[in-house]
Amino acid sequence: GAVVSQHPSRVICKSGTSVKIECRSLDFQATTMFWYRQFPKQSLMLMATSNEGSKATYEQGVEKDKFLINHASLTLSTLTVTSAHPEDSSFYICSARQGGVYTFGSGTRLTVV
Amino acid sequence: QKEVEQNSGPLSVPEGAIASLNCTYSDRVSQSFFWYRQYSGKSPELIMSIYSNGDKEDGRFTAQLNKASQYVSLLIRDSQPSDSATYLCAVNMFNNNDMRFGAGTRLTVKP
Repeated sequence: GAVVSQHPSRVICKSGTSVKIECRSLDFQATTMFWYRQFPKQSLMLMATSNEGSKATYEQGVEKDKFLINHASLTLSTLTVTSAHPEDSSFYICSARQGGVYTFGSGTRLTVV
Repeated sequence: QKEVEQNSGPLSVPEGAIASLNCTYSDRVSQSFFWYRQYSGKSPELIMSIYSNGDKEDGRFTAQLNKASQYVSLLIRDSQPSDSATYLCAVNMFNNNDMRFGAGTRLTVKP
């Protein structure tokens, strides 16, 4: 089946710094990838839809200048959390769709101290 | 009204029993429905997908879809402690190219 690789799995950063998270489709091409955020004991919340070769589409309430998304190729999307603050600490998960089925990356646990 | 609603639980069943998880959705023209299992600290993994009214069985899992009632459920037969997890209902909304998730139902299977 489809495999989506996400890196890093865990990251701790200082407040005010930026963190980049990578999401790769390993055995298929993904023109669209999705970025979710999950706070403890809450469900997945869609942050943005990443479109290869064009601008990402952000959900209401998600700051596009803070969460930069780049989808430069058919197999790679990146999410950069800029000027991170403790309230950005969360579990970030990407997903890609192939044949109508959505596959998730393993997630990135971000802790901002 | 939330797009996808689930009872957050927790739902507790004894080992060997049937666990029944329920989900309702708001978009009447939704086409694709999924159940994901998520262990604590891990990303969701797909258990079942269902697209047509009726039942779909895969091993110990049965997904049921009723589009008229906008209702989808997941039955887990012969529940095992390893089934203890949060189960997420997901719906691919017709007008969107993305998937919306319910809040998840936390299931505990007691030995």
